[in-house]
Amino acid sequence: AQKVTQAQTEISVVEKEDVTLDCVYETRDTTYYLFWYKQPPSGELVFLIRRNSFDEQNEISGRYSWNFQKSTSSFNFTITASQVVDSAVYFCALRRTTDSWGKLQFGAGTQVVVTP
Amino acid sequence: SQTIHQWPATLVQPVGSPLSLECTVEGTSNPNLYWYRQAAGRGLQLLFYSVGIGQISSEVPQNLSASRPQDRQFILSSKKLLLSDSGFYLCAWSGPTSYNEQFFGPGTRLTVL
Repeated sequence: AQKVTQAQTEISVVEKEDVTLDCVYETRDTTYYLFWYKQPPSGELVFLIRRNSFDEQNEISGRYSWNFQKSTSSFNFTITASQVVDSAVYFCALRRTTDSWGKLQFGAGTQVVVTP
Repeated sequence: SQTIHQWPATLVQPVGSPLSLECTVEGTSNPNLYWYRQAAGRGLQLLFYSVGIGQISSEVPQNLSASRPQDRQFILSSKKLLLSDSGFYLCAWSGPTSYNEQFFGPGTRLTVL
């Protein structure tokens, strides 16, 4: 069975601090996809990144960076120099490559609160 | 570019009334379509998914149903709403291959009184 755990319910930081969101997943599949989504107060989920299980190269996109470690089944997300606009709920998700219709297994989400 | 629309944006309905939420996608063909519900507390629950016209799969048994009358149209319905149907309903689409990410619509906030 697939499972995604986001143990941090809420993280509060002051603007310009870095914040790291943890994501730990469980799967018996050898190949899979991992995703991060952002849900701002408006409600719409915004796709941030997709990572293939066979590609462990970390990625940086602006102030965002992702650390994928297959050995520990973790796919952590860091926001550098946080801004108020980063306040949102962030979801980690897992998808099996064998699911042609693409079911996403979401974590419970982590609320990030950035105060000025 | 692709866009996804949902309406209405908000809805307040009495218990026992019917429901119809609509989702349409533009700029793509033969998408996979999904309905999710997010109750208070953030968790996302997959309700239905569809890989083609008239093809609907249900993830959880409930008083909701879904239909896909056209390639890029996905409808969520109920004949009689329950209080527990309140929540935030999100429609999403993805490409047909296994690696495609899902893109979400703006959502419909439903309150059943």
